[in-house]
Amino acid sequence: GENVEQHPSTLSVQEGDSAVIKCTYSDSASNYFPWYKQELGKGPQLIIDIRSNVGEKKDQRIAVTLNKTAKHFSLHITETQPEDSAVYFCAAKVGNEKLTFGTGTRLTIIP
Amino acid sequence: SAVISQKPSRDICQRGTSLTIQCQVDSQVTMMFWYRQQPGQSLTLIATANQGSEATYESGFVIDKFPISRPNLTFSTLTVSNMSPEDSSIYLCSVGGSGSSWTQYFGPGTRLLVL
Repeated sequence: GENVEQHPSTLSVQEGDSAVIKCTYSDSASNYFPWYKQELGKGPQLIIDIRSNVGEKKDQRIAVTLNKTAKHFSLHITETQPEDSAVYFCAAKVGNEKLTFGTGTRLTIIP
Repeated sequence: SAVISQKPSRDICQRGTSLTIQCQVDSQVTMMFWYRQQPGQSLTLIATANQGSEATYESGFVIDKFPISRPNLTFSTLTVSNMSPEDSSIYLCSVGGSGSSWTQYFGPGTRLLVL
């Protein structure tokens, strides 16, 4: 089955700087890659997703890039703000099959 | 996007007892999922619940321990039976991920502490 690795497990960046979180997946058939943000005491919130027919997707300060050849995808957050502090999870799946999650990255924005 | 609510939001239970968690969605959905998130860990799928059929359980999870009901397209329940401290986790309901839209949404979670 699918295996998703996520790095780093923790990340601290100065407010205003950029943050990058990387994930690799094992199943070359995977074609959907969402990213979730989980704040303390809340459920995971979808922040951006990408399908395998697209190499990059942006939504304001957030972007996701996908390299199908290398089987990795990354989350980029620019101009970080204190409210970006949370745990971020990547995930991957093949079509309508189940999501496989990464292990999570705890992002801390230092004011 | 779907709006998902869960009840209770949190509970403290004694070992050996059972707790039923409810999940309500504001629209009809085909697929509903139940996840467990142990403290500081990632999300682990317990089972997939489709209306009108038996739930499909992942490896390591059994129906006797985690019975699931799915009476209609907007509601599901997960029961955690004969609880032990190892069952202390966040339990999350999720919907979506089928048809042409692969997007999956999560509820706020139920925080369970077993003493």
